[in-house]
Amino acid sequence: EVQLVESGGGLVQPGGSLRLSCAASRFTFSMYWMCWVRQAPGKGLEWVANIKQDGSDQYYVGSVRGRFTISRDNAKNSLFLQMNSLRAEDTAVYYCARVMEQQLARLNYYGMDVWGQGTTVTVSS
Amino acid sequence: DIQMTQSPSSLSASVGDRVTITCRASQSINSYLNWYQQQPGKAPKLLIYAASSLQSGVPSRFSGSGSGTDFTLTISSLQPEDFATYYCQQSYTTPVAFGQGTRVEIK
Repeated sequence: EVQLVESGGGLVQPGGSLRLSCAASRFTFSMYWMCWVRQAPGKGLEWVANIKQDGSDQYYVGSVRGRFTISRDNAKNSLFLQMNSLRAEDTAVYYCARVMEQQLARLNYYGMDVWGQGTTVTVSS
Repeated sequence: DIQMTQSPSSLSASVGDRVTITCRASQSINSYLNWYQQQPGKAPKLLIYAASSLQSGVPSRFSGSGSGTDFTLTISSLQPEDFATYYCQQSYTTPVAFGQGTRVEIK
C-alpha cells in the first residue's frame, strides 16, 4: 500500500526550530510534486508549501515564507520541512501529501491523493 | 490570492438524505476544484478532482459539479460513514486555498 509517514513533531518554544520528515513508500517518490498541509486545533486545512519533483521549485503560503523551507531527498524517498522562528500560530498537525496529476482534455489537474497520518507541532513556552 | 467560501458551515442530515454543499471561489478557477472528506482524528481523503471527476475507490453516491466560481458537492444518499467534514480546494494557482469546511452531522 502506498504510504506516507511523518515524524519530527513535538513541543518547541516560540522562536525555536523544528525539522519535520515524511517517509514515502511503495510509489516512485521522484515522480511527484509533494506538499505540506497543516491544521490548527479545531480549525480547517491550510496549505503550507509545495515542492517540484526534482526540488528545483518551491512555493509557500505567505505566513511561513522566509521561516520555513521545504526540501526533499529522492534517493531516500523523503520530504522535509525545516521550520525556524516558530510562533504560537504555527501550532498544528502537519500532514505531508502526494500531489497527483491527471490529464483531462489536454489540461493537467492536481489533487492531494495520498496523505500521511500527521505529526503534531506545539509552539508554547 | 484566491479565497474559497463554503456554505453551509455545518448541516444536520439523516441517513438516506441527499446532501448538497456549495463552494465559491473569489475569482474564476475554471475546473481546478477538488473536494476532500475528513473524519475526526484522521487525514483528509480526496473525493473529487477537476470539479467533477471521481477519485478512484470513492463511492458513486459522491458527485461534483460546477466551473468558474461556483461548485457543488452532492451526496445522493447519505451513509453513516459520510458524517464528516468536507473541504473544497482550488488547484488553479498558488497559494493553494481550502474552503473553511462544512461539517455534516447526524440529525
